[in-house]
Amino acid sequence: GNSVTQMEGPVTLSEEAFLTINCTYTATGYPSLFWYVQYPGEGLQLLLKATKADDKGSNKGFEATYRKETTSFHLEKGSVQVSDSAVYFCALSSYNQGGKLIFGQGTELSVKP
Amino acid sequence: GAGVSQTPSNKVTEKGKYVELRCDPISGHTALYWYRQSLGQGPEFLIYFQGTGAADDSGLPNDRFFAVRPEGSVSTLKIQRTERGDSAVYLCASSTPGPGVNEQFFGPGTRLTVL
Repeated sequence: GNSVTQMEGPVTLSEEAFLTINCTYTATGYPSLFWYVQYPGEGLQLLLKATKADDKGSNKGFEATYRKETTSFHLEKGSVQVSDSAVYFCALSSYNQGGKLIFGQGTELSVKP
Repeated sequence: GAGVSQTPSNKVTEKGKYVELRCDPISGHTALYWYRQSLGQGPEFLIYFQGTGAADDSGLPNDRFFAVRPEGSVSTLKIQRTERGDSAVYLCASSTPGPGVNEQFFGPGTRLTVL
């Protein structure tokens, strides 16, 4: 079945450091890929998405490129801020499965000033 | 406009009891999803409604879990004979209909604790 694997946390960075959170997936067909973020005390919210191979999703300085050849969707940001501290979830969804999301286990990011 | 709301925000119950968790989706969203998130894990799919009918209930762990959406709006997740292993945050999400995979908007969740 479909699955998502993301790098384990917690990840601790200094402000302005470069961030990469790795995500790989297993899926039949052509899923859509997502990054969701959960800030402390808040609900899950969509950060960015990509719906086909080579698409790049971007939002709030974060980027991720849908790589079909490596089945990856790594999240990157060039310069993190303290306010980026949160838990990040990689997820996939297939239209022929009703759009349900399959999530990775989450990666906690802590950014220190 | 209003987002997805869930009630109660917290529920503490004793092993063996029955609980109901409620989800109010965004108005006009015909697709509704329930997920369960255990501590330190990503959300796991439970059930998906399109309108009033359960289009996919493959994620329900066993027959103690049941969900309804009688009028195509509010949904209730029902858990019978609760067990300590049912303790988790139960999340509801809704999305618009239409082609392709649409963004799901999540509620704040109900934290269920079974003592």
